[in-house]
Amino acid sequence: GQNIDQPTEMTATEGAIVQINCTYQTSGFNGLFWYQQHAGEAPTFLSYNVLDGLEEKGRFSSFLSRSKGYSYLLLKELQMKDSASYLCAVMDSNYQLIWGAGTKLIIKP
Amino acid sequence: NAGVTQTPKFRVLKTGQSMTLLCAQDMNHEYMYWYRQDPGMGLRLIHYSVGEGTTAKGEVPDGYNVSRLKKQNFLLGLESAAPSQTSVYFCASMEGGLDTGELFFGEGSRLTVL
Repeated sequence: GQNIDQPTEMTATEGAIVQINCTYQTSGFNGLFWYQQHAGEAPTFLSYNVLDGLEEKGRFSSFLSRSKGYSYLLLKELQMKDSASYLCAVMDSNYQLIWGAGTKLIIKP
Repeated sequence: NAGVTQTPKFRVLKTGQSMTLLCAQDMNHEYMYWYRQDPGMGLRLIHYSVGEGTTAKGEVPDGYNVSRLKKQNFLLGLESAAPSQTSVYFCASMEGGLDTGELFFGEGSRLTVL
């Protein structure tokens, strides 16, 4: 079956750096996505990786290793507003998005 | 520019009742999706549409029907609601195929079935 694994919850300190990991097993691969979802709100797009390597976008970076079935989202200079759930999703060979359950990130002062 | 709008935002139903959720997008997007989100689980695709007049089943289509009569609207129907359909429902749209990356989501519709 298809599976996306990410930690359920993580805690970090304001101003620090946190890395959220995502591992996947899917039937084919056509890209990996990260979305941010604040409590009670809709998900919003953060990043898209289809080739191996690191994509940097401001304080957020996303890394992909297709051979390892692995990605991470790196958040730098954490702010209280970064408290949210972070969703990892993989597009399979049928161009369907398979979603992880999300990682709830708690930022402490 | 409203983006993706879902109505209603909240609804309480009794088992066996029917209802329709409306999703409207003003971005002229071809692709539209209905997801449900339950605690501890990822978003699960119910039905989707790749253009006006077309619909297809997703991962969890049972108990739901959809229609896309106009490009901007995607309706999700529950013919006979069950407590297992208590969930938060999200509509999303995308300009083209999924390789463009960005889904635009509505604010969600919280449905409770008693």
